[in-house]
Amino acid sequence: EDKVVQSPLSLVVHEGDTVTLNCSYEVTNFRSLLWYKQEKKAPTFLFMLTSSGIEKKSGRLSSILDKKELFSILNITATQTGDSAVYLCAVEKGNTPLVFGKGTRLSVIA
Amino acid sequence: NAGVTQTPKFRVLKTGQSMTLLCAQDMNHEYMYWYRQDPGMGLRLIHYSVGEGTTAKGEVPDGYNVSRLKKQNFLLGLESAAPSQTSVYFCASNTGGKYGYTFGSGTRLTVV
Repeated sequence: EDKVVQSPLSLVVHEGDTVTLNCSYEVTNFRSLLWYKQEKKAPTFLFMLTSSGIEKKSGRLSSILDKKELFSILNITATQTGDSAVYLCAVEKGNTPLVFGKGTRLSVIA
Repeated sequence: NAGVTQTPKFRVLKTGQSMTLLCAQDMNHEYMYWYRQDPGMGLRLIHYSVGEGTTAKGEVPDGYNVSRLKKQNFLLGLESAAPSQTSVYFCASNTGGKYGYTFGSGTRLTVV
C-alpha cells in the first residue's frame, strides 16, 4: 500500500525561527514529489521535485528530495506569521493521481 | 480569472437527501479530480477523470458518483447523503504531469 507520511503533524514556532518539515514516502513507480501550502482554502503549489539532490528554492522556502532514502524536506527560514498554514506533501506515481500525506500544521507566533 | 470554480461553496443537507457538486475549469485540462479533506486526514481521492467521458474510482469512492460529459466540467453526486460525508470537498485539474494540480476553493458540506 502506498504511504506518504509527514512529520511533525503540528508545529509552533516564533517569528524568525527556521523550520524543517519532513515527508517520507513508500510508493511504487515514483514519478515526483510535490509540496503545497494550504491556508484557509485551496492548496497552492510550492514545489515539484523529481531529481534527487537538487534543491528547489523560492525566497525563504526551499526543498530537496532524497530518492535513495525516500524522503523530502521543506525548509522555511526567517519565518513570518504569514507562513502559518498547513503544508501538504504529495507523491505522484506513474500516471495515477497524487497521494497526499496528512499535512503539517505550522503556526508562527509573533 | 482562469482557474477551477466550485459551486456551491457551502451546503447543509439532511441525511438521505441528494445533491450535486459542480467543478468547472477553463484551462483546457484533461485531468480532473475530486478529493475530500477531513480534520487530520489530509486529502483523500474520491474519483477522477483522465478525459471527457471517462471516470475512475479513487481511494474513497463509496457513496459518490461522478460524470464528465464535457471536458470543462466534473460533477460529484451524493445520492443519499450520510453524516460521514460531512467534509470539505476539493476539485482539482491538471494537464497530466508537469505543473502540479490547480485546486478549486472548496465546498464545505455538512450532513445532519
